[in-house]
Amino acid sequence: GAVVSQHPSWVICKSGTSVKIECRSLDFQATTMFWYRQFPKQSLMLMATSNEGSKATYEQGVEKDKFLINHASLTLSTLTVTSAHPEDSSFYICSARPGQGARDEQFFGPGTRLTVL
Amino acid sequence: TQLLEQSPQFLSIQEGENLTVYCNSSSVFSSLQWYRQEPGEGPVLLVTVVTGGEVKKLKRLTFQFGDARKDSSLHITAAQPGDTGLYLCAGNDSGYALNFGKGTSLLVTP
Repeated sequence: GAVVSQHPSWVICKSGTSVKIECRSLDFQATTMFWYRQFPKQSLMLMATSNEGSKATYEQGVEKDKFLINHASLTLSTLTVTSAHPEDSSFYICSARPGQGARDEQFFGPGTRLTVL
Repeated sequence: TQLLEQSPQFLSIQEGENLTVYCNSSSVFSSLQWYRQEPGEGPVLLVTVVTGGEVKKLKRLTFQFGDARKDSSLHITAAQPGDTGLYLCAGNDSGYALNFGKGTSLLVTP
């Protein structure tokens, strides 16, 4: 149980284009999903918290107009990197938190490697 | 501000050795998780500790949560090459989001 998938697993795009990354909880409903980015040999940096049916909460320094997050259902959240530039190249990882339970566990997707040329 | 400090940052040992990774904070956490991440993959949850003083074992891995719920440790006995990876501790202080440590990169050589 507690499986989270991401699609695509990797993407290469040209500078100026937009890229959409999907995060799905496959066997549970997730009222809250999180988006992280990770640079090589570094830890995860939280970008935003995505709540089903409401606006995402962005961390300080993350441009909400550049990183569009939509959490349309209890099993799907999407991250769209708009007008991507080479500095946006990174490993993007989502996680999902089940709606119930007091242990605050999050389950992570396998990540999406974005390369912007 | 990094809420969670992990040490050591890098560790290279030989197969069969023991090691301990530490995760420290000045904040109190309602729970703390340990993850292992391999290159190009997402973190995989190893354990969640909730109660101060709690000790959990997962085969050769022993996790301990400090009495004050501000720190935790991960001890690996007789490390194997398959233990190689990035070990991350993450704590939940009051909200939904996790605060991650910087990670400990472990390399176990045969």
